[in-house]
Amino acid sequence: DTAVSQTPKYLVTQMGNDKSIKCEQNLGHDTMYWYKQDSKKFLKIMFSYNNKELIINETVPNRFSPKSPDKAHLNLHINSLELGDSAVYFCASSQDWADTQYFGPGTRLTVL
Amino acid sequence: AQTVTQSQPEMSVQEAETVTLSCTYDTSESNYYLFWYKQPPSRQMILVIRQEAYKQQNATENRFSVNFQKAAKSFSLKISDSQLGDTAMYFCAFMSRGFGNEKLTFGTGTRLTIIP
Repeated sequence: DTAVSQTPKYLVTQMGNDKSIKCEQNLGHDTMYWYKQDSKKFLKIMFSYNNKELIINETVPNRFSPKSPDKAHLNLHINSLELGDSAVYFCASSQDWADTQYFGPGTRLTVL
Repeated sequence: AQTVTQSQPEMSVQEAETVTLSCTYDTSESNYYLFWYKQPPSRQMILVIRQEAYKQQNATENRFSVNFQKAAKSFSLKISDSQLGDTAMYFCAFMSRGFGNEKLTFGTGTRLTIIP
């Protein structure tokens, strides 16, 4: 009965590959987010979706493409992976902008 | 643009003592929310406490309380009777209402170690 789940938890891949990270929330929330946490632990918003509509795209390279098939899912697809993409990626959800965001367990992506 | 500053990269305290983590922010907004999140070694981001800017009363959650000084744009977290399980990275975060700008802006974090 995990509230926000992500798969996989760990992802190791070669430069140039394409990979996807999946996120699902069972909280009935309307808004979902992707954050990136770099090696210095700094967390930064990448995207947010509200009811499947893109709200925030925070100057992320267009190699990153979020997809929201329904309100409960927000997946992140990354093309042509680069070394600098190595990070922990967190999915989060909230009912409304002012509500608490609940985070998934994170996906540690390592690009070799 | 909003910014959040945590000036203490690392802190350590003896178990059972009280510790205060600092956070300042910069904004021209009047309607906003402030949060403290905890990230233990497990990597999970856990909400510790939340404060609405329009509320003058400081939020408390068991051993965790905040000192919210709106005029000074300061939002510090006090942990009383610290426990070993409090060892974690602590992030201060800000969110304001702005069209297309409803996002958490995080500080750089404070690594807190509770010493047995």
